[in-house]
Amino acid sequence: AQSVTQLDSQVPVFEEAPVELRCNYSSSVSVYLFWYVQYPNQGLQLLLKYLSGSTLVKGINGFEAEFNKSQTSFHLRKPSVHISDTAEYFCAVSDQGSARQLTFGSGTQLTVLP
Amino acid sequence: DTEVTQTPKHLVMGMTNKKSLKCEQHMGHRAMYWYKQKAKKPPELMFVYSYEKLSINESVPSRFSPECPNSSLLNLHLHALQPEDSALYLCASSQDRRNRDTQYFGPGTRLTVL
Repeated sequence: AQSVTQLDSQVPVFEEAPVELRCNYSSSVSVYLFWYVQYPNQGLQLLLKYLSGSTLVKGINGFEAEFNKSQTSFHLRKPSVHISDTAEYFCAVSDQGSARQLTFGSGTQLTVLP
Repeated sequence: DTEVTQTPKHLVMGMTNKKSLKCEQHMGHRAMYWYKQKAKKPPELMFVYSYEKLSINESVPSRFSPECPNSSLLNLHLHALQPEDSALYLCASSQDRRNRDTQYFGPGTRLTVL
C-alpha cells in the first residue's frame, strides 16, 4: 500500500511570484506519480505525470515537477503564477502493478493574490 | 482528445427518489471509474469497471448501483440516498494498461440530497 502527504494545506502567493507545492509519498514498490488541478466547481484536470525516464517533468500551464526517488518526493513548481492558477492541487500515486488504484494526497489550496 | 463527459451537471433529489448519473468517453478507454468527493477532500474511489465488468467495489452501500452498458458508457443509479451522500460525483476513464496507465476525469455531477 502507498500513501501521499501534501505538506501544505494552503499556500497563498502573490501574482508573478514563484511557487512550490510539496508532495511526499511512501510505497514499498515502484510508483507512478501525478499532479491534478481542480478549479472551483470543476472536475480534476491532469497537470503532469511521471511514469519513467527523465525525473524533471513538464506539464500544462507552465508547471513542472521533479521526481526525487531518494527523498520520495514529487514537488510541483511554477516560476511565475497568475491569478488564474488559483485552485486545489492534488498529488496522486499508483503502484506500477496496480495502476487502477490511485491514492490521493489531501490537497493544497493555492491562492494567488493580486 | 481526453474528454470525459458527465450529465447532469447538477442534481437535487429527495431521499425517496430514484435517479441516475451518466458518464461517457470516446477515447477507446477500457476502464471506467466512479469517485465521490466531499468538499475540501480528495476523491474517494467507489467502483471500477474493466472491459465492462465490475472489478473493484470499495464497500459502497447498495443504494449506489453502477452499470456499464458498453465500453463508452458508465451509469450510477441512485436510490433511497441520505443527505450525507451529497457530494461531487466524478467519473474517470483510462486505457486500463497494467503499466503506465493514466486516469482522465470528467467535470463531475454535483448531487444534493434533501
